[in-house]
Amino acid sequence: EDQVTQSPEALRLQEGESSSLNCSYTVSGLRGLFWYRQDPGKGPEFLFTLYSAGEEKEKERLKATLTKKESFLHITAPKPEDSATYLCAVQAVNSGGSNYKLTFGKGTLLTVNP
Amino acid sequence: DSGVTQTPKHLITATGQRVTLRCSPRSGDLSVYWYQQSLDQGLQFLIQYYNGEERAKGNILERFSAQQFPDLHSELNLSSLELGDSALYFCASSVGGLAALWWDTQYFGPGTRLTVL
Repeated sequence: EDQVTQSPEALRLQEGESSSLNCSYTVSGLRGLFWYRQDPGKGPEFLFTLYSAGEEKEKERLKATLTKKESFLHITAPKPEDSATYLCAVQAVNSGGSNYKLTFGKGTLLTVNP
Repeated sequence: DSGVTQTPKHLITATGQRVTLRCSPRSGDLSVYWYQQSLDQGLQFLIQYYNGEERAKGNILERFSAQQFPDLHSELNLSSLELGDSALYFCASSVGGLAALWWDTQYFGPGTRLTVL
């Protein structure tokens, strides 16, 4: 069974204090690893897709990296508006060609204080 | 705005009742997914439809059912509701099928918050 574990569960940073979120995964065969941002009461907002070990993607203050066992979301010089829950999900190679379901971790709640 | 729409935003009902949640996918997307998010379980996959056909089932209760219509919108039907069914229900859509890349990015709607009293 596919498993995704995110750490830490919660992280408090001061504005400008860089840090990283971790997502470790176990999957039979990886199609893609996805990062989403979720604000309270809202739907997950897509950030990145990674599908090959060694791959990196960047968007503003966020950079996502991927190894064969885990992914990191690096946040550089965060601002209060970066406060949200960050979700990691994997899409596995399953039987059934068009089954693209996502298995999510429980997320990291990031709070950035001004 | 992801382009995925869901109605209603909020739903309050009583135990034993039946409700229907509606989702319209992004233009051009053929796959629709339903997820349930509760505080203790996180986001859990329920069911997937592709171009009108059921393609995958996850942790969906027998009291729950879904369908995708010819215009590609989807409905999730929840019956004999229990207190534990209170949660956020999200719909996501993606290109899906043969048109998808090796991976298939899903875009989520704003969700329906269901409260069962």
